[in-house]
Amino acid sequence: EAGVAQSPRYKIIEKRQSVAFWCNPISGHATLYWYQQILGQGPKLLIQFQNNGVVDDSQLPKDRFSAERLKGVDSTLKIQPAKLEDSAVYLCASSLDNRGQGYVQETQYFGPGTRLLVL
Amino acid sequence: AQRVTQPEKLLSVFKGAPVELKCNYSYSGSPELFWYVQYSRQRLQLLLRHISRESIKGFTADLNKGETSFHLKKPFAQEEDSAMYYCALSGSRLTFGEGTQLTVNP
Repeated sequence: EAGVAQSPRYKIIEKRQSVAFWCNPISGHATLYWYQQILGQGPKLLIQFQNNGVVDDSQLPKDRFSAERLKGVDSTLKIQPAKLEDSAVYLCASSLDNRGQGYVQETQYFGPGTRLLVL
Repeated sequence: AQRVTQPEKLLSVFKGAPVELKCNYSYSGSPELFWYVQYSRQRLQLLLRHISRESIKGFTADLNKGETSFHLKKPFAQEEDSAMYYCALSGSRLTFGEGTQLTVNP
């Protein structure tokens, strides 16, 4: 099966500019995640979608970050305006429906990531 | 709050030697623990999860609730095991540790 696709793979921008990342999850996966991975750290969840609804955006810096998944498939993550500390790899992941009684975390499948450098 | 600690950023062993990657966690509920691995130039992928209680690529991990640990072990390391390993905890969300870079020398 095709994996999670992300674009672009690399992006260099200047601070205060805006940038957008795109993610296409594995077909049939209802749950989509965006993670931020700063150099030397583990991935940190920014936002989780269940179909086109937001499940968890408690760690998303909403003053500058936004994300959407309008049709419950592809998703975009936007930063506006970017700051130097936003330099990181942005990972998208997807999983099967991650809800239900007897909740068990479904396996998350990760994309290759987008490496962002803010100058 | 949930937290995962991997005390070693770097770990180097020789081929054939045993290897243990340490992971400690804090979580007030019943945890679900995972090990994810990222080989060079590859995507982050699931290695194993504690509820499966299985061995993957010779690796095992046992959840010790008393010590709040989930250490990853392999009795005989291979060069192809060289990678970045992340311990993760699923509570309200999947929380990753900072990772351990394992290098297996020939």
